[in-house]
Amino acid sequence: EIVMTQSPATLSVSPGERATLSCRASQSVNSNLAWYQQKPGQAPRLLIYGASTRATGIPARFSGSGSGTEFTLTISSLQSEDFAVYYCQQYNNWPYNFGQGTKLEI
Amino acid sequence: QVQLQESGPGLVKPSGTLSLTCDVSGASISSSNWWSWVRQPPGKGLEWIGEIYHSGSTNYSPSLKSRVTISVDKSKNQFSLKLSSVTAADTAVYYCARDSNINYFFDYWGQGTLVTVSS
Repeated sequence: EIVMTQSPATLSVSPGERATLSCRASQSVNSNLAWYQQKPGQAPRLLIYGASTRATGIPARFSGSGSGTEFTLTISSLQSEDFAVYYCQQYNNWPYNFGQGTKLEI
Repeated sequence: QVQLQESGPGLVKPSGTLSLTCDVSGASISSSNWWSWVRQPPGKGLEWIGEIYHSGSTNYSPSLKSRVTISVDKSKNQFSLKLSSVTAADTAVYYCARDSNINYFFDYWGQGTLVTVSS
């Protein structure tokens, strides 16, 4: 079973600044990595798949990179609506495990 | 517009069986997608439970496999989750989701339903 580890657990950033979130897999997942955003009381929303492809309607300030075991989600200029919890998920192997999440706070 | 909606009891007694249904609209359950259940204990992260294809083929998380059954009803365009022998540790928001037809990430989610295990 592949373990996904996200860091940091909490990231404090100011609006307009850049945020960099990390996700590490315990073994290679190739580029089969997705990122989701979750706001309180809401379902997760798909942001990125294939490690670097933005989902439909996702703003260009969100970008993903990496392959194998190391992945990064970058938000180039934080807007107020971006403060949320972010999860990575591997879908290279069953079970499709998620990371424990990174809380992005002001 | 693809929409998923979970329904079922919000309270289940310990040792009982949790049963939830996901109604799908705006897409056919018989399309080339897998359909998943994901749960989230209060204040914690996401856990994939399992998935089903319209043919009835399933994949389950090993940690829950002995207690989980996912089924599909093509006539009603819905799929269901049963989790047996529940304990307080199964208290969570349960989401149904659609696996993308590109690969096995989740492009559409239901709003989620809280199921509490308590006597």
